[in-house]
Amino acid sequence: DGGITQSPKYLFRKEGQNVTLSCEQNLNHDAMYWYRQDPGQGLRLIYYSQIVNDFQKGDIAEGYSVSREKKESFPLTVTSAQKNPTAFYLCASSILNGEQYFGPGTRLTVT
Amino acid sequence: SQQGEEDPQALSIQEGENATMNCSYKTSINNLQWYRQNSGRGLVHLILIRSNEREKHSGRLRVTLDTSKKSSSLLITASRAADTASYFCATVLPQGAQKLVFGQGTRLTINP
Repeated sequence: DGGITQSPKYLFRKEGQNVTLSCEQNLNHDAMYWYRQDPGQGLRLIYYSQIVNDFQKGDIAEGYSVSREKKESFPLTVTSAQKNPTAFYLCASSILNGEQYFGPGTRLTVT
Repeated sequence: SQQGEEDPQALSIQEGENATMNCSYKTSINNLQWYRQNSGRGLVHLILIRSNEREKHSGRLRVTLDTSKKSSSLLITASRAADTASYFCATVLPQGAQKLVFGQGTRLTINP
């Protein structure tokens, strides 16, 4: 099956801990993205990558970090510096100028 | 920064009726895309319309784009209960990175 996967679906962490969210795609897409969604809101871009070993900050990158060592993988680390980390995190991939394919999301709760 | 704004924020209609959602944006675009999101799920791409196109159809969906007014509309005809979801428009700017800028969405409820 082709697609984009995120794991885990639900994640719970204590405040002050870093946590890494997984995103994998087998669609051979060059571009990958991470978004954050808060209740009743639209998506806000955290980081994106258009090619392996390169990535750019989105609109709300503070407190997050990413890596793009492989074309298929774009993990997101939520660091302890992120002041309000509890949210729904969505990963997506695309060809350039094309529609984005989204994963099922990871709901992160930090207490 | 938020580029697209959907209108209305919420829409409730009877099954079988048509649903129209609007999206306005602020700057020039390369293309505009509509997505659907069921509660707690990822987004599903519906239609992409390029800046030189005025209308596109896909099944029961019809999208229009008016670049002079910087607006787009999504029409769902003969609505079904399964169409209940949030609908988002997103724009891609003409230059630079291929990133989407999303609006806050329209919450559509289809009543049986």
